[in-house]
Parts: sequence; structure tokens; C-alpha cells
Amino acid sequence: DAEITQSPRHKITETGRQVTLACHQTWNHNNMFWYRQDLGHGLRLIHYSYGVQDTNKGEVSDGYSVSRSNTEDLPLTLESAASSQTSVYFCASSVENTGELFFGEGSRLTVL
Amino acid sequence: GENVEQHPSTLSVQEGDSAVIKCTYSDSASNYFPWYKQELGKRPQLIIDIRSNVGEKKDQRIAVTLNKTAKHFSLHITETQPEDSAVYFCAAINTGGFKTIFGAGTRLFVKA
Repeated sequence: DAEITQSPRHKITETGRQVTLACHQTWNHNNMFWYRQDLGHGLRLIHYSYGVQDTNKGEVSDGYSVSRSNTEDLPLTLESAASSQTSVYFCASSVENTGELFFGEGSRLTVL
Repeated sequence: GENVEQHPSTLSVQEGDSAVIKCTYSDSASNYFPWYKQELGKRPQLIIDIRSNVGEKKDQRIAVTLNKTAKHFSLHITETQPEDSAVYFCAAINTGGFKTIFGAGTRLFVKA
């Protein structure tokens, strides 16, 4: 069955370290998204991509970057992790003609 | 920029009662309005959606209404059950761009 997977599911890191969260989908969706979820803020869009070599900034993109070298993967990189980036991160992909999002299981990141 | 406001942030109802969650959006180009349910520790999942050419849609105990003129849409859950307890997110999307902006979420408690 097609799926969208994230790794790692849990990570603890230190301030200033570089962290990469992986997202892999097997639906062949062109659209992929990264959200962070914090209490009281819901799901906020970090970066998104509409296809290979396309990346766009969302509403909370500072301190994050993404790359899209193939259809299946959209890794999210925190160049220099900060405590404010402690959060649960969700990757999602969508079907172009419907807009429905399919979410990964989430990655809980703690920055100490 | 685009914005989706969601109310209330917390809702507590007695089993069997109805629950209503309301959202407003700012982008007049939005034409697709999904609702996602997120159970504790799980990923958000689509439960119902409505498109801009429809005023109301129903699926068993849940229904969604849309007022495009006022930029309002609402989720209605009838005959609530304990398993309806979750966080519900509304969202608005312009399917020309597929970027989904979420409301802050409503935590629904259904008391048995």
C-alpha cells in the first residue's frame, strides 16, 4: 500500500546542531508539505513543494530549509537548531486535483 | 496573507449532544474547505470536505456548511460519542495553488 513515512519519529538534539527530518511518500504525489504543530497554534506551514526542484516558503520558514531532488522525498533541515524549534513536525502530500492532504505519523523534535 | 480563524478553541459536550465548530477565512480565492480530525498522538486525517460550489454536505453524523459571501464555514457533529473526542482542524485552500492553511484547532471533549 502507498504510504508517507517520516524519520526519525523522535529526536533530541542540542542547540546549534544541524538536524534533518526525512519524509518519503510512495503515492507519486507532486505536492509535499512540512508543518509544525504547537499547542495553541495548530498546524503551521513551514515549506512546500509542487514538484521536483520546486520549493516555497510557508508562514514559519525562518531557520528551516527543504530540497526536492525527486518526487518521493522532501527532507526538512534545521541549519542550527534552536529551542524555539522544539515541536512536532508533520510531513504531508496531496493529490493535485482534490487538495486532500495525507499526513505522515509525525516527528517529535526536542532541542535542548 | 491568508488566514483561517477557528472557534472555539475548546468545546466540551455531553454524549448525545451536538457540537458546532466555526471557521472564517480571508482568501477569497479559497475554493476547498476540508476538516481534519486528530486523535491523541495520531496524525490528522480528513473527515469531511466541501467545495465552493456547494453550500452543505453531510456524511452520517457530521455535516459541513459553507457561506462564501461571509467567508464562513462550520462543522456540525450530531449525537456525539466519546470516540468523537479529538482535535478538529478546519482549513482553506485555493486548489489553484494547493497550499493548505489551517485554523488553530478545536479540542472537543465528549463526556460519557
